[in-house]
Amino acid sequence: DAGVIQSPRHEVTEMGQEVTLRCKPISGHDYLFWYRQTMMRGLELLIYFNNNVPIDDSGMPEDRFSAKMPNASFSTLKIQPSEPRDSAVYFCASSSDTNIQYFGAGTRLSVL
Amino acid sequence: QKEVEQNSGPLSVPEGAIASLNCTYSDRGSQSFFWYRQYSGKSPELIMSIYSNGDKEDGRFTAQLNKASQYVSLLIRDSQPSDSATYLCALLKIGSARQLTFGSGTQLTVLP
Repeated sequence: DAGVIQSPRHEVTEMGQEVTLRCKPISGHDYLFWYRQTMMRGLELLIYFNNNVPIDDSGMPEDRFSAKMPNASFSTLKIQPSEPRDSAVYFCASSSDTNIQYFGAGTRLSVL
Repeated sequence: QKEVEQNSGPLSVPEGAIASLNCTYSDRGSQSFFWYRQYSGKSPELIMSIYSNGDKEDGRFTAQLNKASQYVSLLIRDSQPSDSATYLCALLKIGSARQLTFGSGTQLTVLP
């Protein structure tokens, strides 16, 4: 398997623009997680899905953030409008019944 | 009190020495424990998992779990410069589905 695939790897945008991050989980994994990592706050869980259904979105910082999982092989994290404080590395991870989470390479977002 | 505590470091050890990384946790209901390694600019990758009290060895790595004292540790024998990374402790709490709780990580530097 190719592992968890995220795109784009880098995103530079201007404040106020919409940003969409994409994730393809490992085939057969039924859980998908979105994280944000910064130097100040470390690795933060934003939201996670089970069988395409959002289970816990309490980590989503505010209404500007939204996430969807329309099918088992694709998820998006959208920020609209983006702000400079959203600059971070965003990771997607997936897991199966072993509870081990496998991370994608991440998307480095810079909001100017 | 944080749910998962790690000394942020940096921890420096000479090449060939044993590196000892420690993690304490607050929820006695935690049941599964993981050590992830994260190289600078890369994503976290699993190096060890441990589920029961005692030691678990895998090559140069040994994970130790003591549920009574609520700590888990990672020993790296014969440390190499390539082991220089941030090590993240993570745990799975009872009732949290597949959601892992991560520590803030310990930065390890192995000096040649």
